[in-house]
Amino acid sequence: AQSVTQLGSHVSVSEGALVLLRCNYSSSVPPYLFWYVQYPNQGLQLLLKYTTGATLVKGINGFEAEFKKSETSFHLTKPSAHMSDAAEYFCAVSLSGGSNYKLTFGKGTLLTVNP
Amino acid sequence: KAGVTQTPRYLIKTRGQQVTLSCSPISGHRSVSWYQQTPGQGLQFLFEYFSETQRNKGNFPGRFSGRQFSNSRSEMNVSTLELGDSALYLCASSIRPQMATNEKLFFGSGTQLSVL
Repeated sequence: AQSVTQLGSHVSVSEGALVLLRCNYSSSVPPYLFWYVQYPNQGLQLLLKYTTGATLVKGINGFEAEFKKSETSFHLTKPSAHMSDAAEYFCAVSLSGGSNYKLTFGKGTLLTVNP
Repeated sequence: KAGVTQTPRYLIKTRGQQVTLSCSPISGHRSVSWYQQTPGQGLQFLFEYFSETQRNKGNFPGRFSGRQFSNSRSEMNVSTLELGDSALYLCASSIRPQMATNEKLFFGSGTQLSVL
């Protein structure tokens, strides 16, 4: 069965510092991987996704993630944090193809950005 | 273009009651998925509807049900409410079914259900 583990339920960084949010997945077949962001009192918004091809994926708001099959990881990074990046971030995995599709989310990482 | 609209925004119910939540997808989107979000369990998939048919279902008891209308609007019903049903219920829409294409999901702001 597929699963997602996000390491660290809460990450705190200073404004201008590197953001690194960790995600490891488990899947028996090649996965599709996603990062979503949830701002306070809002729904989730897609940041980026990996399906096939280039393993370094660029998303909105300066975020990017790299798919590393050997490490079963899909960590999210941003070189310089902004105050507006404060939100909860969710990693998600789905099976590529198949008849019993289900998007499985990690439990989320709350990002705090300090001035 | 209007986003995904969920009503009501907040609901307070007591144990044993039933509740109906509504979701209007983005115009042109025919797939609607429902998720339950709680601090302990995170986001859990409830079900997905496409063209008025349930396409996929998560591991929730039969008290949780849904339907989709011809205009793609969807409702979710929870009967015999339990304290553990307190959660944020999120609806997401997409143009095509998730299972076929891994479509990008567009989420509403959710309905916060509190069961007392």
